[in-house]
Amino acid sequence: HVQLQESGPGLVKPSETLSLTCSVSNDSIGNYFYNWLRQTPGKGLEWIGNIYSRGSTNYNPSLSDRATISTDMSRNQFSLKLTSVTAADTAVYFCTRGGPYEGRYSATYSLYWGQGILVTVSS
Amino acid sequence: DIVMTQSPDSLAVSLGARATINCKSSRSLVDRSTGKDFLAWYQQKPGQPPKLLIRWASTRESGVSDRFTATGSGTDFALTISSLQAEDVAVYFCQQYYTSPVTFGPGTRVEI
Repeated sequence: HVQLQESGPGLVKPSETLSLTCSVSNDSIGNYFYNWLRQTPGKGLEWIGNIYSRGSTNYNPSLSDRATISTDMSRNQFSLKLTSVTAADTAVYFCTRGGPYEGRYSATYSLYWGQGILVTVSS
Repeated sequence: DIVMTQSPDSLAVSLGARATINCKSSRSLVDRSTGKDFLAWYQQKPGQPPKLLIRWASTRESGVSDRFTATGSGTDFALTISSLQAEDVAVYFCQQYYTSPVTFGPGTRVEI
């Protein structure tokens, strides 16, 4: 059973960079979609972006090029960096693993989820 | 972006009764070459991450109760819980993955 776990600071100052890591257990990072999403009471579930197929990425344009997702195969992890954060970036952040990359599509459902990590942006 | 809407916002159903949640997308989610609809349904209980119930609009995930049935194609979809149980109390979301950015419906809260 694949397990994912988010880690990182729970408090980030405005204008700084939010950095989160997702550790994957019971599976090796491979030819699947790996996603970051976030959830707030006001905006609901928001997809941040994904990484797949040896480093291809897609991001939500709503984040204005502030997000970067990368993988570290040696550690079986993938990461999110979100720059220039504001209070609006306060949310529960989830990492997920989706379906397999089959060469045609750029997004997928999320089958496995981490428990989520609350990140608060505040000075 | 594809906009996903859900109705109702919430519903209260008696134990053992049927609950139906509707989801509508602002454009068709059908891939013409495969005929597949790029639509998923999730269940989220308090303090937990969402759980995938349905993929490809109607394919139930392994281990998901057969009380959950999903139908629809194109732009109109529905999730039905045939006989509501106490453990089904949750918020249900639809999600399109036809195109990036992936988008979710606002959720429907199901209560007893």
